[in-house]
Amino acid sequence: AQTVTQSQPEMSVQEAETVTLSCTYDTSESDYYLFWYKQPPSRQMILVIRQEAYKQQNATENRFSVNFQKAAKSFSLKISDSQLGDAAMYFCAYRGVLGGSQGNLIFGKGTKLSVKP
Amino acid sequence: ETGVTQTPRHLVMGMTNKKSLKCEQHLGHNAMYWYKQSAKKPLELMFVYNFKEQTENNSVPSRFSPECPNSSHLFLHLHTLQPEDSALYLCASSARGLAGGERELFFGEGSRLTVL
Repeated sequence: AQTVTQSQPEMSVQEAETVTLSCTYDTSESDYYLFWYKQPPSRQMILVIRQEAYKQQNATENRFSVNFQKAAKSFSLKISDSQLGDAAMYFCAYRGVLGGSQGNLIFGKGTKLSVKP
Repeated sequence: ETGVTQTPRHLVMGMTNKKSLKCEQHLGHNAMYWYKQSAKKPLELMFVYNFKEQTENNSVPSRFSPECPNSSHLFLHLHTLQPEDSALYLCASSARGLAGGERELFFGEGSRLTVL
């Protein structure tokens, strides 16, 4: 079964600085999708960024970028120029490309990010 | 108006009560999900509905009973719950295709349940 591990329960970053959140996963599949979701204190979880495993190029969305290392099964999230609004829980998630239950998202435990002014 | 709306936002109930959580999505999606979020644990997928049909039940105790009358509405009926069922219950929806794909989940703000 696939698993997702986020080894940092909490992280802190100074405003305008850069922070990297770690995520590793375990799978025997060769093709899959990886996601980072953000859950602010208001609790509505939103998608930050996604990565297709067959694409070697790292995904980027404005200040958010990933470092996808397929061989190492690592998928870290880098937040540049951190803002106070980035403070939230961040969840790494995996989804296989097959249908049925293997097409459902598997989440890590999350990393709580604090941003200091 | 948010895409996925959950009510109530907070619920306190005794172990003998019967209550229901409601989820409504305005995104035209055909798949809806219930997740349980407990502190320091990964989100747990509970139920999945595709086109109103339940396609996933992750060994959820029968004291949780889902209902999906149409593609826009999802309920979670609760009865004789235990204190360890206290958690944030998240509803989500997606445009589920025939295969996996990169279906993005859209979440509601959750219903915080406390069982006394």
